[in-house]
Amino acid sequence: GENVEQHPSTLSVQEGDSAVIKCTYSDSASNYFPWYKQELGKRPQLIIDIRSNVGEKKDQRIAVTLNKTAKHFSLHITETQPEDSAVYFCAASETNFGNEKLTFGTGTRLTIIP
Amino acid sequence: EPEVTQTPSHQVTQMGQEVILRCVPISNHLYFYWYRQILGQKVEFLVSFYNNEISEKSEIFDDQFSVERPDGSNFTLKIRSTKLEDSAMYFCASKFGRGNEQYFGPGTRLTVT
Repeated sequence: GENVEQHPSTLSVQEGDSAVIKCTYSDSASNYFPWYKQELGKRPQLIIDIRSNVGEKKDQRIAVTLNKTAKHFSLHITETQPEDSAVYFCAASETNFGNEKLTFGTGTRLTIIP
Repeated sequence: EPEVTQTPSHQVTQMGQEVILRCVPISNHLYFYWYRQILGQKVEFLVSFYNNEISEKSEIFDDQFSVERPDGSNFTLKIRSTKLEDSAMYFCASKFGRGNEQYFGPGTRLTVT
């Protein structure tokens, strides 16, 4: 089955700086890669996703890049703000066949230092 | 905006007791999921449900677990005889169709004592 590795496990950045979180996946059949933000005690919320036919996607201060050959994808947050502090999870899924379950990474606790 | 809802928000039960966790997916969604998250760990897939049957289950989802969609709106997870290690946050998720985003509920924190 799919295995998703995520690094780093914790990340502290100064407000206004950029943050990068990296994930690798093992199953070449995976073709959908969402990123979820989870604030303490709350539900995971989708912040951005990318499909395997695209190399990069951007939404305001958030961008995701995908390297299918190397089987890794990254989340980039620019101009970080205190409200970006949360745990971020990457995930992978295969959407052509089967049930499209999400396999999550282990999470990155991002702390923005004011 | 429609949301997935879950009840109760927190359930405390004694080891060996049965619990039922309830979810109301978004109304026009067709795919339903249960995930769990042990405190401080990653979210793990338990089971997926489509067309009134289980489409996949993980190795965690053993004979003590079952799911039902008893009517057109609810989706339940039952644990027949809870164990201490079942203590976790349980998330329900749903999505409309193939390739669409999964929407998560707020979770039920299950504490087994």
